[in-house]
Amino acid sequence: DGGITQSPKYLFRKEGQNVTLSCEQNLNHDAMYWYRQDPGQGLRLIYYSQIVNDFQKGDIAEGYSVSREKKESFPLTVTSAQKNPTAFYLCASSIRDRVYFGPGTRLTVT
Amino acid sequence: QQQVKQSPQSLIVQKGGISIINCAYENTAFDYFPWYQQFPGKGPALLIAIRPDVSEKKEGRFTISFNKSAKQFSLHIMDSQPGDSATYFCAAADTGFQKLVFGTGTRLLVSP
Repeated sequence: DGGITQSPKYLFRKEGQNVTLSCEQNLNHDAMYWYRQDPGQGLRLIYYSQIVNDFQKGDIAEGYSVSREKKESFPLTVTSAQKNPTAFYLCASSIRDRVYFGPGTRLTVT
Repeated sequence: QQQVKQSPQSLIVQKGGISIINCAYENTAFDYFPWYQQFPGKGPALLIAIRPDVSEKKEGRFTISFNKSAKQFSLHIMDSQPGDSATYFCAAADTGFQKLVFGTGTRLLVSP
């Protein structure tokens, strides 16, 4: 069964803790992305990676970090420096111009 | 220059009616314009996409109209059904496609 897997679906953390969101794809796509979704603000790009061992900041990268050690994996770490981390996080991958999204992880920080 | 402006923010349409969502962009380097459909708690899914070499693209009940001179494009959902109730996002990408820029979304409710 091909696709993008994000785990867990719901994640709860205390303020001040770093948390890592998982994203795995078995579509053999080179490019992968992390978006953040907040009500009324659409999808905003956090980081993206066009190839293994390379990634670029998106529009709202502050307080986040990523790694791309394997083609199929693109984990996102939400650090304690992120001021408003509670949001719905979406991972995506693409081949040419077709972007496919995972099911998302809802992160709640209290 | 990277913004895509989407309207309306929400829309209520009766079953069988036509739903129309509009988007506008500034960056003339954009040359790929997809629409995504998202159900609550799920990731967005590609619905239909268009490139500037055509003014209209139709797939089933979904049509994109594109006006290059006005830098606007719109999604028309014909014969809207309750199952179409979802949030719709327009997006744009430039030549070479490195990343998508999204509109703020339209929440569509189709009443029975």
